[in-house]
Amino acid sequence: TQLLEQSPQFLSIQEGENLTVYCNSSSVFSSLQWYRQEPGEGPVLLVTVVTGGEVKKLKRLTFQFGDARKDSSLHITAAQPGDTGLYLCAGFESVGTASKLTFGTGTRLQVTL
Amino acid sequence: NAGVTQTPKFRVLKTGQSMTLLCAQDMNHEYMYWYRQDPGMGLRLIHYSVGEGTTAKGEVPDGYNVSRLKKQNFLLGLESAAPSQTSVYFCASSYPLSEQFFGPGTRLTVL
Repeated sequence: TQLLEQSPQFLSIQEGENLTVYCNSSSVFSSLQWYRQEPGEGPVLLVTVVTGGEVKKLKRLTFQFGDARKDSSLHITAAQPGDTGLYLCAGFESVGTASKLTFGTGTRLQVTL
Repeated sequence: NAGVTQTPKFRVLKTGQSMTLLCAQDMNHEYMYWYRQDPGMGLRLIHYSVGEGTTAKGEVPDGYNVSRLKKQNFLLGLESAAPSQTSVYFCASSYPLSEQFFGPGTRLTVL
């Protein structure tokens, strides 16, 4: 059962535009992570949000965790071609002594000049 | 440090053939994971290991086996490959309850 839905699935924008990606869950997670994946590579962690309502900024990227810790958003200001990639959210939960990540469906972003 | 490495990068199999994917990490991480990535489905956990000699099933374990004989290596085996196992496979490693570091992936096609 897919627990994390991302929208939109695809996004093609021009350099300088703003965009928001949404990650919605049917479950509560102890924290939520955002990854970026480039072609031919594995996902790379961008940020972890832990507290409901938390907002984190990473240069032009702003991440928000919903108050109920079931949804999150990623906002990119003034997108650049280097932002192109697959963005994945992932819910983090501990299972005994192990950690488990449940990944979202992904948003593929293309930024053109 | 090489981080997490995966061998091979690409492989084409015929239905019924077997193969082993190798993952190696040089970060002394206790935990290792195998995921598969399919279009529109994100990454799904196949098996994971919390230490040398221990393995556990993830979300989609059927058709796969794993072994963790050495702390730095995690092997994923397909005993009898099926077209449904065509996917990109990623290995990851981490300290307990910490950030997972991913390898570059193995693209497998089963004909």
